[in-house]
Amino acid sequence: EDKVVQSPLSLVVHEGDTVTLNCSYEVTNFRSLLWYKQEKKAPTFLFMLTSSGIEKKSGRLSSILDKKELFSILNITATQTGDSAIYLCAPRVGRGGGADGLTFGKGTHLIIQP
Amino acid sequence: DAGVTQSPTHLIKTRGQQVTLRCSPKSGHDTVSWYQQALGQGPQFIFQYYEEEERQRGNFPDRFSGHQFPNYSSELNVNALLLGDSALYLCASRRGDRKNSGANVLTFGAGSRLTVL
Repeated sequence: EDKVVQSPLSLVVHEGDTVTLNCSYEVTNFRSLLWYKQEKKAPTFLFMLTSSGIEKKSGRLSSILDKKELFSILNITATQTGDSAIYLCAPRVGRGGGADGLTFGKGTHLIIQP
Repeated sequence: DAGVTQSPTHLIKTRGQQVTLRCSPKSGHDTVSWYQQALGQGPQFIFQYYEEEERQRGNFPDRFSGHQFPNYSSELNVNALLLGDSALYLCASRRGDRKNSGANVLTFGAGSRLTVL
C-alpha cells in the first residue's frame, strides 16, 4: 500500500518568514512527485518533480526531490498572507494503461500571520 | 476557457439516501478522476474514467459508482449514504495521452460539499 507522510501538519509563521514543508513517500513504481496548493476548494498545481537533486522554482516557491531517500521538500521564502493554504503532495506511480490515481498526503496547513 | 466545473456546489442529504454529483472536464481533457476529501485529510482517490470506462478504482465500496458520457463529462453516484460520506468531492481532469500521461497533470474543480445528516 502506498504511503505518503507530510510534515508538519500545521504551521503558523509571520509574513516574511521562510518555511520548509516536507513530504516522504513509500510507493511502488515511482514516476514523479506532485505538489498542489489548496486555498479554498480546488487544489492548484505547483510542481512536478521527476529527477533527484534538480530544483524547480516558481517565484518565491521552490521544490526538490530526493529519490534515494524518498522525500521532497517545498520551500517558500519571504512568505505573504496569500501563501496561506493547504499544501498537498502526491507521488505518481506507474500502473500501466494510463491509470494514475494519486495517493495524497494529509497536507500541511500553512497560516501566514501579518 | 472554462476549467473543471462541478455541480452542485453544496448539498445536504440524510442517511440512506442516494446522491449524484456532476463534473464537466476542462476543454480538451478526456480523462476524469474523482476524489473524496474529508475534513482535515488529503484527497482520496475514488476512481478514474477514460473512454467511458472505469480505468482504475481506489479503495471505495460498491456504493460508489460512476459514469462517463461521450462528451467526457462524468457523474459520481453514492447509494445508501452514511454519515461518514460527508466530505468535499473533487473532480479532476487531464488529457488522456497515454504516451505522455506523466506530463498531463490534473486540473481540479472546486468540488461538491456533501453533508449527510
